[in-house]
Amino acid sequence: GNSVTQMEGPVTLSEEAFLTINCTYTATGYPSLFWYVQYPGEGLQLLLKATKADDKGSNKGFEATYRKETTSFHLEKGSVQVSDSAVYFCALQGSGAGSYQLTFGKGTKLSVIP
Amino acid sequence: NAGVTQTPKFQVLKTGQSMTLQCAQDMNHNSMYWYRQDPGMGLRLIYYSASEGTTDKGEVPNGYNVSRLNKREFSLRLESAAPSQTSVYFCASSELSGTLFYGYTFGSGTRLTVV
Repeated sequence: GNSVTQMEGPVTLSEEAFLTINCTYTATGYPSLFWYVQYPGEGLQLLLKATKADDKGSNKGFEATYRKETTSFHLEKGSVQVSDSAVYFCALQGSGAGSYQLTFGKGTKLSVIP
Repeated sequence: NAGVTQTPKFQVLKTGQSMTLQCAQDMNHNSMYWYRQDPGMGLRLIYYSASEGTTDKGEVPNGYNVSRLNKREFSLRLESAAPSQTSVYFCASSELSGTLFYGYTFGSGTRLTVV
């Protein structure tokens, strides 16, 4: 079945540091890949997505590239801010039956300190 | 604002009590979901409804029931609450139109404590 593995947190960075959160996946076919963000006390929000190999999703300074050869979709940001403190979830949409569903990773908590 | 609305936002129950969590979406989505979120466990799917009139079990359905009342509303019921059901519950909706899928839209959650 489909699965998503994220690096375990928590991750603590100083403001303006470079961020990478690793995400790898297992799936058959050609899944679409997503990153969601959850700010404290809120629900999850879509951050970015990529639907095919070599696509780059980007939003709010975050980027992730769909790498089929390494089955990865790592999230990066060049300079984090305190306001980026949140939990980040990687997810995939499989193909075939049940393809309207997402499979989520366990989430990575990011704390950015001034 | 358009989106997914969950009620209540907070609830405290005594062991053995029952309650229903409400969820409504106004985006005309076909599919709806209930998740629970626990520390270190990520999101776990409780039940889902692929379309109006259908419901299916997810990863952790025991102790819960659901009703897809109409296309807009999908409720989650705890018949006899247990402390292990203390969690944050999220409702979500999605639409798959042909090959176009835009991901889930989530509600803001219900924080449930069972004492």
